[in-house]
Amino acid sequence: QVHLVQSGAEVGKPGASVKVSCKASGYTFTGFFIHWVRQAPGQRLEWMGWISTDTGNTRYSQRFQGRLSISTDTSAGTPYMELSSLRSEDSAVYYCARGLVTAWGDYFDYWGQGTLVTVSS
Amino acid sequence: DIQMTQSPSSLSASVGDRVTITCRASHNINNYLNWYQQKPGKAPSLLIFAASGLQSGVPSRFTGSRSGTDFTLTIDSLHPEDFATYFCQQSFKTPPTFGQGTRVEIK
Repeated sequence: QVHLVQSGAEVGKPGASVKVSCKASGYTFTGFFIHWVRQAPGQRLEWMGWISTDTGNTRYSQRFQGRLSISTDTSAGTPYMELSSLRSEDSAVYYCARGLVTAWGDYFDYWGQGTLVTVSS
Repeated sequence: DIQMTQSPSSLSASVGDRVTITCRASHNINNYLNWYQQKPGKAPSLLIFAASGLQSGVPSRFTGSRSGTDFTLTIDSLHPEDFATYFCQQSFKTPPTFGQGTRVEIK
């Protein structure tokens, strides 16, 4: 069965970077996009970007342009999300999610368990 | 960005009740609307895709429908495990955007 297992909680200082991994298993890794979505306390889910695990192409939300980097190690079946220039409002739970592209729309059919990132000096 | 507005933000219901949650899109999104359930401390899980498609393994008491830019998630005969927060999400345009969530609590 499909599993997305994320790395553990992180604490980052303001201005620093954090990198979260998302080990995928149970399906053909290069057949699906991986998206990153975050959820700050009391806030709605916020989409950050995606990576094509086949081509390595990426697309990022304008809100994170210049600070976000999504990459993938195809041989390890593991995508990564790195957020730099951290600020307090980046404290959130970060999720990876598998993206399914269909003729009737795209959706996130499997999610990682989430990684808590806390920005604190 | 397309704005998604859910109502109500929370509701109290009893086991066996019928529950309806609404999500309104700021622009036409056709049927590109998905619903997710999230329990405390857990990741969201997909319930409904393309406005009314039932995800594999999801009980048939969950149904979705559309009227213009208004979308509805209905839970027939609420089960104890259905007490959770529900989110809508549009996939018509990038960036995909989510509603603010509806928390379903036990009365």
